[in-house]
Amino acid sequence: DGGITQSPKYLFRKEGQNVTLSCEQNLNHDAMYWYRQDPGQGLRLIYYSQIVNDFQKGDIAEGYSVSREKKESFPLTVTSAQKNPTAFYLCASSGLAGGLTDTQYFGPGTRLTVL
Amino acid sequence: GQQVMQIPQYQHVQEGEDFTTYCNSSTTLSNIQWYKQRPGGHPVFLIQLVKSGEVKKQKRLTFQFGEAKKNSSLHITATQTTDVGTYFCAYHSGGSNYKLTFGKGTLLTVNP
Repeated sequence: DGGITQSPKYLFRKEGQNVTLSCEQNLNHDAMYWYRQDPGQGLRLIYYSQIVNDFQKGDIAEGYSVSREKKESFPLTVTSAQKNPTAFYLCASSGLAGGLTDTQYFGPGTRLTVL
Repeated sequence: GQQVMQIPQYQHVQEGEDFTTYCNSSTTLSNIQWYKQRPGGHPVFLIQLVKSGEVKKQKRLTFQFGEAKKNSSLHITATQTTDVGTYFCAYHSGGSNYKLTFGKGTLLTVNP
């Protein structure tokens, strides 16, 4: 069953703690992405990676870190430096297709609440 | 940089009424993608438009890309309760960069 998995679905953390969100895909996609979604804000890009061992900052990378050691995995760490970490986090992946962007496939998301 | 504005931000309709959401850019876009996110769910790809003036249909949904490639629309004919959700447009920044930038979305609610 191909797709993207994110775990956990709901996550609670105390303020000041780092937390790592998992994202795994078995679609053999090269590119992976992390988005943050807040009510009324749409999707904002945090980090993206087009190839293993390489990643780029998106529009709101401050307070976040990522790694891409394997093609299938792109974990996101929300650090204590992130001022407002409570949000819905979505991971996505896409293949690389010529000069046009492929569609993005999204995981079910992780809802992070920092208390 | 490029930005897209989606209007309206919210739309409430009676079941059976039509619905249209618009995605407008100040600059020419290379392509437009549309996604739907059901309440509590994740975005799901609907369609991609690439050519100037392109029109694509999926059952009751009609997608258009403007002649100048600066705007796009999604029209739903005779809405159903299953159409409820947020509709996002997204565009590719171009070049070797494969990231998408999403609009803020239009939330559609349907009264049965």
